[in-house]
Amino acid sequence: GESVGLHLPTLSVQEGDNSIINCAYSNSASDYFIWYKQESGKGPQFIIDIRSNMDKRQGQRVTVLLNKTVKHLSLQIAATQPGDSAVYFCAERDDKIIFGKGTRLHILP
Amino acid sequence: EAGVAQSPRYKIIEKRQSVAFWCNPISGHATLYWYQQILGQGPKLLIQFQNNGVVDDSQLPKDRFSAERLKGVDSTLKIQPAKLEDSAVYLCASSLVGTSGGAGTGELFFGEGSRLTVL
Repeated sequence: GESVGLHLPTLSVQEGDNSIINCAYSNSASDYFIWYKQESGKGPQFIIDIRSNMDKRQGQRVTVLLNKTVKHLSLQIAATQPGDSAVYFCAERDDKIIFGKGTRLHILP
Repeated sequence: EAGVAQSPRYKIIEKRQSVAFWCNPISGHATLYWYQQILGQGPKLLIQFQNNGVVDDSQLPKDRFSAERLKGVDSTLKIQPAKLEDSAVYLCASSLVGTSGGAGTGELFFGEGSRLTVL
């Protein structure tokens, strides 16, 4: 079965607030982690990645945090906008890329 | 730059029939992937090609699924015969390099997918 999972299937956030999407992984051999965004009717889109020798990486409005001690990954989205509504997948790489089940981010007006 | 092209976008068939999906990756991308995404789940890798060779097909149900990438560019994924549980979106993705090893990245470029409904 898949080793990557998510804590919450749905997250509702007020527009303008920060969003935090969490992910747990179980394969300690994974050396690389990725976050993807999937809008309805589209394929997943790469957001940001992080290698296992890092614990934080920042992009434009997004930050990924990696805690290898507890095998936890999070994606923080600053100032959430309506366009951020989507399903977010974390993925890990050991030998190949394995996707988790996804969290749906719902933006409240 | 043109993205990953897939066709058809939608297909409805009855169980035991066959279906084929086509993918044209981004020009110059050596690695091509087929993923199956069942409703409410994350994509599951079916097969990965590096140029025209298979890198990983460990999760491909080989009794009914087949895939090929002739000339290292376009690829087709075939299901024969289809089962009800094959209803899913079949996503094709490509990347400039492979995803394994230190030089590999996880930046896959996905097409919009082919939605299969098996009745």
